[in-house]
Amino acid sequence: GENVEQHPSTLSVQEGDSAVIKCTYSDSASNYFPWYKQELGKGPQLIIDIRSNVGEKKDQRIAVTLNKTAKHFSLHITETQPEDSAVYFCAASRDSGGYQKVTFGTGTKLQVIP
Amino acid sequence: GAVVSQHPSRVICKSGTSVKIECRSLDFQATTMFWYRQFPKQSLMLMATSNEGSKATYEQGVEKDKFLINHASLTLSTLTVTSAHPEDSSFYICSARWPGYEKLFFGSGTQLSVL
Repeated sequence: GENVEQHPSTLSVQEGDSAVIKCTYSDSASNYFPWYKQELGKGPQLIIDIRSNVGEKKDQRIAVTLNKTAKHFSLHITETQPEDSAVYFCAASRDSGGYQKVTFGTGTKLQVIP
Repeated sequence: GAVVSQHPSRVICKSGTSVKIECRSLDFQATTMFWYRQFPKQSLMLMATSNEGSKATYEQGVEKDKFLINHASLTLSTLTVTSAHPEDSSFYICSARWPGYEKLFFGSGTQLSVL
């Protein structure tokens, strides 16, 4: 099955700096890669996603890059703000028996220091 | 964006009782919903896939008689934790997929505490 590794597990940055979270996956059939932000006591919220036919996608301060050959993808947050503090999960998804099977990374706790 | 509503957000129950958690898709019809369990500081673990009008598909190691799933309509799936024990205490989260797309939308989660 798919295996998604995520690094680092914790990340502290000063407000205004950039944050980068990296993930690798093992199944070359995975074709959809979403990123989720989870605040304490809440469900994950989709913040950005990318399909395997695209190498990069940007949405304001958030960007995601994908390297299919190397099987890794990264989340980039620029000009970080205290409200960006949360746990971020990457995921890899592929078609499986008529629906998408999603495998989550282990999560990164981001702390933005004011 | 799509909204998935989950209730209750928090429940405390006595050992041996059953607890029902509801997951609703508010602005779309979801033929498939997913139930996850999350322990503190850990990732989401898929428990089962809920299919409207048919039996749920459980992941390996998840007791289907313990965690009853019902997906009676295109907008509602329920998870019932039967004869709850303290080790069932956890954060339970549902999700639903926007029809025809890969995007998953999550509910707000339910913190279950079994005394």
